[in-house]
Amino acid sequence: DIQMTQSPSSVSASVGDRVSITCRASQGIRSWLVWYQQKPGKAPKLLIYAASSLQSGVPSRFSGSGSGTDFTLTISSLQPEDLATYYCQQANSFPYTFGQGTKLEIK
Amino acid sequence: QVQLVESGGGVVQPGGSLRLSCAASGFTFNTYGMHWVRQAPGKGLEWVAFVRYDGSTKNYAYSVKGRFTISRDNSKNTLSLQLSSLRAEDTAVYYCAKDHDIGGYFDYWGQGVLVTVSS
Repeated sequence: DIQMTQSPSSVSASVGDRVSITCRASQGIRSWLVWYQQKPGKAPKLLIYAASSLQSGVPSRFSGSGSGTDFTLTISSLQPEDLATYYCQQANSFPYTFGQGTKLEIK
Repeated sequence: QVQLVESGGGVVQPGGSLRLSCAASGFTFNTYGMHWVRQAPGKGLEWVAFVRYDGSTKNYAYSVKGRFTISRDNSKNTLSLQLSSLRAEDTAVYYCAKDHDIGGYFDYWGQGVLVTVSS
């Protein structure tokens, strides 16, 4: 299986801050990487697919980068509604695997 | 608009069985792969199973292989997951999810259904 490791596990930031979350794959996955946002009690929501493509309807403050084994999700200017847990997932090969999640808190 | 509505969850004893269903609407069901993803209480996401748009290919997580069976009925726009030989560690919210156009990513999710395995 491909292991996905996110860092940090949790982050606290202020409104307006730039926030970055990283995801590392245990082997190369080209650009087969997606980011989800999950708010408490809700289903996950797709933010970024194919490592850097913004899903329709997602605010442009979200962006993704990387390829191979190292990927980054960046929120350019944190908003209160961004309080959530963020997950990366590889879709390079079965079994698909997720990172352990990064909990984002607002200071 | 795309809608995915799961049903069939509940409490079941260890070793028991349960069948989950996912009713799909708002898209051409028979042209998209479908997945089940689960989330144990307070834990992260775990991909469980996939079925190709025509039902010809199925893939499973190692943790459920041989115990769970994914299937679909394209005439009824319904996805199913048969859970057997259930264990306490199968306790989770189970989500059905639709494949993105380019595959491998889940662009729409249901609201989830809770399965509790307990004696």
